[in-house]
Amino acid sequence: GQQLNQSPQSMFIQEGEDVSMNCTSSSIFNTWLWYKQDPGEGPVLLIALYKAGELTSNGRLTAQFGITRKDSFLNISASIPSDVGIYFCAGFGGATNKLIFGTGTLLAVQP
Amino acid sequence: IAGITQAPTSQILAAGRRMTLRCTQDMRHNAMYWYRQDLGLGLRLIHYSNTAGTTGKGEVPDGYSVSRANTDDFPLTLASAVPSQTSVYFCASSAGLNTEAFFGQGTRLTVV
Repeated sequence: GQQLNQSPQSMFIQEGEDVSMNCTSSSIFNTWLWYKQDPGEGPVLLIALYKAGELTSNGRLTAQFGITRKDSFLNISASIPSDVGIYFCAGFGGATNKLIFGTGTLLAVQP
Repeated sequence: IAGITQAPTSQILAAGRRMTLRCTQDMRHNAMYWYRQDLGLGLRLIHYSNTAGTTGKGEVPDGYSVSRANTDDFPLTLASAVPSQTSVYFCASSAGLNTEAFFGQGTRLTVV
């Protein structure tokens, strides 16, 4: 089936550092979404991307929809302790156009 | 505005029992989804519905069934629960295809 490969699996950084994570797909996606999940909670939408090449920011977060439509990245600048959580990419597209998720990136920020 | 409401929040269930997880949204979204989340495996799509009256299979549909009698409700049924169905279940909805999806708080199900 369709797969979204998300990397890295985990990151352990110091407060104030910048972070980058990405997702790649074997098939074309029409929409890329980035979510954050805190422990015991459901995923919360951070950024939605709708067009190839689109670059969108939400505060310290920036995400881009790759020009090939098969990848996306999320950057977090000047990380703070509350950035801790699991970040997921998700997308609509491929043969089925269902919403599927990457396996997540666990982010730990040391004060 | 409630958004998406899931019930119950958690449940311990004996193997072989039937169980229905409830999901209700008040955003008049057309599409709804059920995912299960297991450690190290992210969120895997169980079933989805693009509009009331239609449903489709996701990545891991076996052992689960859904119905979509109206726009607001999308229950997930385990006909005969097995321990491998122990997981956290999330319901989500979106206005339509290719639009952002919003999630409920999850149901933690333990099958013993």
